[in-house]
Amino acid sequence: RKEVEQDPGPFNVPEGATVAFNCTYSNSASQSFFWYRQDCRKEPKLLMSVYSSGNEDGRFTAQLNRASQYISLLIRDSKLSDSATYLCVVNTGRRALTFGSGTRLQVQP
Amino acid sequence: GAVVSQHPSRVICKSGTSVKIECRSLDFQATTMFWYRQFPKQSLMLMATSNEGSKATYEQGVEKDKFLINHASLTLSTLTVTSAHPEDSSFYICSAVQGPGELFFGEGSRLTVL
Repeated sequence: RKEVEQDPGPFNVPEGATVAFNCTYSNSASQSFFWYRQDCRKEPKLLMSVYSSGNEDGRFTAQLNRASQYISLLIRDSKLSDSATYLCVVNTGRRALTFGSGTRLQVQP
Repeated sequence: GAVVSQHPSRVICKSGTSVKIECRSLDFQATTMFWYRQFPKQSLMLMATSNEGSKATYEQGVEKDKFLINHASLTLSTLTVTSAHPEDSSFYICSAVQGPGELFFGEGSRLTVL
């Protein structure tokens, strides 16, 4: 079983739609969680950290469920510029990060 | 903000040659850097952890004699792909930790081995 699993998609949604991604992780000792965004052929960039209490940054909301070992990302009012691959990332305590394979989002006009 | 610079961004080489990729932390000292590899449509996979002044720690399945890592200073780590083959063609990305754990990525290096 992969340490971090994501639905690869693609998720094709119209502009203005709300879309949600889920991610599951296998290591219950995982300490911190992140969502990264990666554009085609570019390096990943931190989108937001994920906290147990949930956190929101503009149109983006991240949630963590430790009991079920999953993380979610909700994007409201999708923009064309949101089209990218969203990587679920987990820190198991080794300082290096473990990446999911990513979920591709395509926002269409 | 902190910046990690990686060079070259793109390299094409013949099979059997060696290629060196540099990763620099531009405005902070990084005692630890990480090297990742990403094949098309796959996730980033950690290859090795580069420690300043000591030997790198390689992940299982990564050949240490093929992927030579040198971290001779607090701002520079290099990855050398020795005797490259077409199956080594990939996107290589380095990252460095600053402070309590914020991770910064280099721009990545796309290697194509003919």
